[in-house]
Amino acid sequence: DTAVSQTPKYLVTQMGNDKSIKCEQNLGHDTMYWYKQDSKKFLKIMFSYNNKELIINETVPNRFSPKSPDKAHLNLHINSLELGDSAVYFCASSQDFRVEAFFGQGTRLTVV
Amino acid sequence: GDSVTQMEGPVTLSEEAFLTINCTYTATGYPSLFWYVQYPGEGLQLLLKATKADDKGSNKGFEATYRKETTSFHLEKGSVQVSDSAVYFCALENTGNQFYFGTGTSLTVIP
Repeated sequence: DTAVSQTPKYLVTQMGNDKSIKCEQNLGHDTMYWYKQDSKKFLKIMFSYNNKELIINETVPNRFSPKSPDKAHLNLHINSLELGDSAVYFCASSQDFRVEAFFGQGTRLTVV
Repeated sequence: GDSVTQMEGPVTLSEEAFLTINCTYTATGYPSLFWYVQYPGEGLQLLLKATKADDKGSNKGFEATYRKETTSFHLEKGSVQVSDSAVYFCALENTGNQFYFGTGTSLTVIP
């Protein structure tokens, strides 16, 4: 069983479209995250949720909206996609603090 | 604020060479420290961790010791293999809200 699963793995779309990335974890963790990895492999936190409540909301354009229907799911919806949104997006989860996070396989988003 | 500074890459080594990737951190309190590895086209996998000063994390021949006096968590391996080629990330977690990652170090091991 995959611990943290994201869909889709690849997403190619045109500028201006709206798309969603889904994330589910079956580890029973309370905290979930979205990270963006750019072409230089740099990882930047976007959002952090704890028990469905938004904890961290970094300086991300408001075209990005996370939604957590329950503590096992954290989806990312992106409106009006731009070329600069092309990146790999990782979902992750962890339990409590100062323990490891488990990462999904990533979603490679390409905006053309 | 909290941050991680990691040795820039890329690093290219011959098989069986000794590996060191430097990592230093800035944090208040007592963070946990981690090394993650990312193989091409995959997500991040935990390689090892340490949760308090002087702890040594180890896995698959890799080791790192949590040094509070030097705020460091350097990754070492005595003899690298081609299969170790990947990107390595140093990270810390302190508050339960987010992980802070270094910039990543790309390692290529040639036969």
